[in-house]
Amino acid sequence: AQTVTQSQPEMSVQEAETVTLSCTYDTSESDYYLFWYKQPPSRQMILVIRQEAYKQQNATENRFSVNFQKAAKSFSLKISDSQLGDAAMYFCAYRSSGNTPLVFGKGTRLSVIA
Amino acid sequence: EAGVAQSPRYKIIEKRQSVAFWCNPISGHATLYWYQQILGQGPKLLIQFQNNGVVDDSQLPKDRFSAERLKGVDSTLKIQPAKLEDSAVYLCASSFTGFDTEAFFGQGTRLTVV
Repeated sequence: AQTVTQSQPEMSVQEAETVTLSCTYDTSESDYYLFWYKQPPSRQMILVIRQEAYKQQNATENRFSVNFQKAAKSFSLKISDSQLGDAAMYFCAYRSSGNTPLVFGKGTRLSVIA
Repeated sequence: EAGVAQSPRYKIIEKRQSVAFWCNPISGHATLYWYQQILGQGPKLLIQFQNNGVVDDSQLPKDRFSAERLKGVDSTLKIQPAKLEDSAVYLCASSFTGFDTEAFFGQGTRLTVV
């Protein structure tokens, strides 16, 4: 079974600075998808960014970018120019190809300091 | 486009009572997921539906949990009888086919069992 590990329960960053959240995963598959979800206090999971394993280029969405190291099974999220609204729980998630559900890590709580 | 709707937002019950949660997915979405998120952890899949059929219910505690998706649209998750350890947020999500890369989440139901 696939597992996702987030080793940082909590992180903090100063407003306008850059922070990197770590994620590793374990799988024997070659075709899969990786995601970062944000969960604010409202509890609704919001997709931040996704990466297809077959793509070598790292995904980027505005201030959010990933460092995808397939051989190392590592998938970190970099948030640039951090804003107060970025404060939330961040979950790394894995999904196999095909009709399969998401497998989540335990999450990292990000605080943004003004 | 309306998002995934869940009700109620909050529920407090005594142990051994029963409770039901309702989910209305995004219109046209064939795949529906129920996740359980215990405080401090990432969401864990309980059950996945494809239209009105079950794809995966391997982690559903079937002695007390049940779920149905009549007519392949709305879904209900029931717990009977509830235990203290069932206190969690119950998240519903949907995707268009299950094979596409993005799942959309509702705001969840926070259940407290006392």
